[in-house]
Amino acid sequence: AQSVSQHNHHVILSEAASLELGCNYSYGGTVNLFWYVQYPGQHLQLLLKYFSGDPLVKGIKGFEAEFIKSKFSFNLRKPSVQWSDTAEYFCASRSSNTGKLIFGQGTTLQVKP
Amino acid sequence: DTGVSQDPRHKITKRGQNVTFRCDPISEHNRLYWYRQTLGQGPEFLTYFQNEAQLEKSRLLSDRFSAERPKGSFSTLEIQRTEQGDSAMYLCASSLEGGNQPQHFGDGTRLSIL
Repeated sequence: AQSVSQHNHHVILSEAASLELGCNYSYGGTVNLFWYVQYPGQHLQLLLKYFSGDPLVKGIKGFEAEFIKSKFSFNLRKPSVQWSDTAEYFCASRSSNTGKLIFGQGTTLQVKP
Repeated sequence: DTGVSQDPRHKITKRGQNVTFRCDPISEHNRLYWYRQTLGQGPEFLTYFQNEAQLEKSRLLSDRFSAERPKGSFSTLEIQRTEQGDSAMYLCASSLEGGNQPQHFGDGTRLSIL
């Protein structure tokens, strides 16, 4: 069965620090990968997605993620975080033959001003 | 694009009661998904529809759960004989058909069982 694991459950950073959140997925076939963000009191929003092509994907708000097939990883990065990046971040996968998303358990990011 | 709308936002009920939630997807989206999220966890897939057809159901969806999308527009999720373990946030998402179409989420319905 497909699964997604996020290594960091709670991350605390100061503003301007660099961010990397880990994500590993288990599915060996063709897979689509996503990062969603949930700001306090808001709904899940798509940050970025990977389907094929360039393994370095750029998303909104300066976020990017790198798909490394050999490591089954899709880590999220941002060179310099802001206080407004405080939120919960979810990695998700979807196999090509189904519509459902499989989510990791999420990482809570707290950015101190 | 008015977004995915869910109603109610919060439902409090006693154990053993039936509850029904509604989801209105983005109007041109033909796929509609239900997920459940408990505290400290990511959303878990429950079921999804393409138009009015229910294409996949999770094993999490016990006999007490039923979802419908009768006209291929809005959907309802009903839970019969609620149990304490049903307390969670129920999320709805919608998308266009196609492997590269992202899912757009609503604000969710928070269910609290007394």
